[in-house]
Order: sequence, then structure tokens, then C-alpha cells
Amino acid sequence: DTAVSQTPKYLVTQMGNDKSIKCEQNLGHDTMYWYKQDSKKFLKIMFSYNNKELIINETVPNRFSPKSPDKAHLNLHINSLELGDSAVYFCASSTRPPPNQPQHFGDGTRLSIL
Amino acid sequence: AQKITQTQPGMFVQEKEAVTLDCTYDTSDPSYGLFWYKQPSSGEMIFLIYQGSYDQQNATEGRYSLNFQKARKSANLVISASQLGDSAMYFCAMREGQTGANNLFFGTGTRLTVIP
Repeated sequence: DTAVSQTPKYLVTQMGNDKSIKCEQNLGHDTMYWYKQDSKKFLKIMFSYNNKELIINETVPNRFSPKSPDKAHLNLHINSLELGDSAVYFCASSTRPPPNQPQHFGDGTRLSIL
Repeated sequence: AQKITQTQPGMFVQEKEAVTLDCTYDTSDPSYGLFWYKQPSSGEMIFLIYQGSYDQQNATEGRYSLNFQKARKSANLVISASQLGDSAMYFCAMREGQTGANNLFFGTGTRLTVIP
């Protein structure tokens, strides 16, 4: 009965490879997000989707491409991985509105680039 | 300018004592929400408490309370009767506007260590 689940939990890969992280939520939320947490623990928004429509695309390299096949899923595909991509990536979801509803986070995917 | 500032990189508290984690925010939007999340060493993000900009009373959730001072733009988290399991990173976050993009802006976090 996991609310927001993302896979894989750990991802170790070589520089230059292409990889995907999957995210699914069973909360019936209409907005999903991807956040990146760097080595200093700072969390920053990358993308936000509302009902499969992109509403935020922060300054993220275009090697990162989110895909939302339906409002319960938001996957993150990363091309040509670089050392600086090593981080923990969190998927989250919420309703929109009301604004007082918290975002529910997945457990994170730790991406390590060798 | 940083939207959320947490000035305490690390805090220590004795078990069973209360502790306050500081958070100040910066926004010109009259409508916003403030959130606190806990991140234990296992890595997951756990929602703790919410305060709305129009809420008249300070939010409380069990041992967590939020000391909301709107004029000072501060939203400090108070944890009463600290337990060993409270040792974790704590993040303050803000969402702006009723119809805004809805994403959260996070502070840099405070690492709380509860001493037995």
C-alpha cells in the first residue's frame, strides 16, 4: 500500500550511459514532481507535472527528460550521464489545490556515476 | 535571495528536552504555506506539520508545534520531549500562492542529534 513508490532505490552506472527512474503514486493526486538532493542535502525542484502536463521545468540540462504516461506515473529519463548527476532523486505528489496539502515523497533513488 | 533560510546546520538536544529549529522565509506572495519535513538516516522524507499564511493559530501535531511569527517571517519548529528517534535532518519548506506552480522551496536543513 505504498503511496509514492520509485524504482530503483539504488542506481550505479558509468558515465555516458542512459538510465531511467520510475515513479508511481496511488494517492489519486493530480500533480507529480521530481526533486534532486545534492551531496550537501539541498533539495531542489526539477520538474512538475499536473495531469500529465509539464508546468515547471527548472534550469535542468535537457539530458533530463520527464515522461508522464498518465497522472499516476512520472518517470525520469537521463541521457549521457555525467559525474555531476550523482545525487538522490525524489519523486513526490500532491493535490492541486488546496495549497495546504503536503507533498508525499517517495523513498528516493540514489544515483551514483562511476 | 534564498526563499527559505535555516541558520542552524546542526543542533544537539538532551533526550526528553524540547528543541527549537529555526526557519525564516522570504516571499512577497500574501498566500503561502510552510511545511516541515524530517529526513532520517534511511533517507525518506516524512511530512511533519503545515502552517498556512492565513492561519490564525500556530499549528500543532503531537509533539511538533510551529511557532509562526508572520511579521518576522519565521516559522520555527518546536519538538517537545525529544526522543532518540527524532535524530534526523529537518527541512523547512515553502509553497507560494493559491494558483502557483505548487512546488516546494526547501531550506538547507538542520541536523538534529538527540543525546541520551
